[in-house]
Amino acid sequence: DAKTTQPPSMDCAEGRAANLPCNHSTISGNEYVYWYRQIHSQGPQYIIHGLKNNETNEMASLIITEDRKSSTLILPHATLRDTAVYYCIAETQGGSEKLVFGKGTKLTVNP
Amino acid sequence: GAVVSQHPSRVICKSGTSVKIECRSLDFQATTMFWYRQFPKQSLMLMATSNEGSKATYEQGVEKDKFLINHASLTLSTLTVTSAHPEDSSFYICSACPPGLAETQYFGPGTRLLVL
Repeated sequence: DAKTTQPPSMDCAEGRAANLPCNHSTISGNEYVYWYRQIHSQGPQYIIHGLKNNETNEMASLIITEDRKSSTLILPHATLRDTAVYYCIAETQGGSEKLVFGKGTKLTVNP
Repeated sequence: GAVVSQHPSRVICKSGTSVKIECRSLDFQATTMFWYRQFPKQSLMLMATSNEGSKATYEQGVEKDKFLINHASLTLSTLTVTSAHPEDSSFYICSACPPGLAETQYFGPGTRLLVL
């Protein structure tokens, strides 16, 4: 599995966009970029994933660079409830595949 | 979305006792479930892959005789921590993938184990 690198922490003001970067320079062609988040003392929650194209769903947008070596998760209007640890994972598609979690980014949304 | 539950949510036990944690997929069948462990201020670490009807696959360094996994049905996997010790105190989380939604995993809410 490709190794991902994320900043350990970020802050964001409530109502503003939160942009969380992730580097995955060794990602292989068949690996997707997955984002999960974990609110304190809860199980992780799936957010979004993508291969090459940018993706958007009701929770977030995922921007993947053309060379696929990095990506950005965008929470367009962060709320206090978005405070969590965000994990970027490179993995071949398949929920039957085990996920390898790095240290993630602790996002704190401030009022 | 798909729902995965865990029971109990929190358990306190004495050192030397065994503790069973259940992971259920409530609205789908899962041939594969995963068990993770998370120590305070650390990331999730995969312990084992639970396969329905066959033996679990354990990650390196995880003692299979201490962490017994049983996946007897398509909706239930159990993790038993045998002869628990204080160093086994941790947050245990399971996950599963609904068939037809093979791209993502759904996680349970976690079970916090405290061994005294």
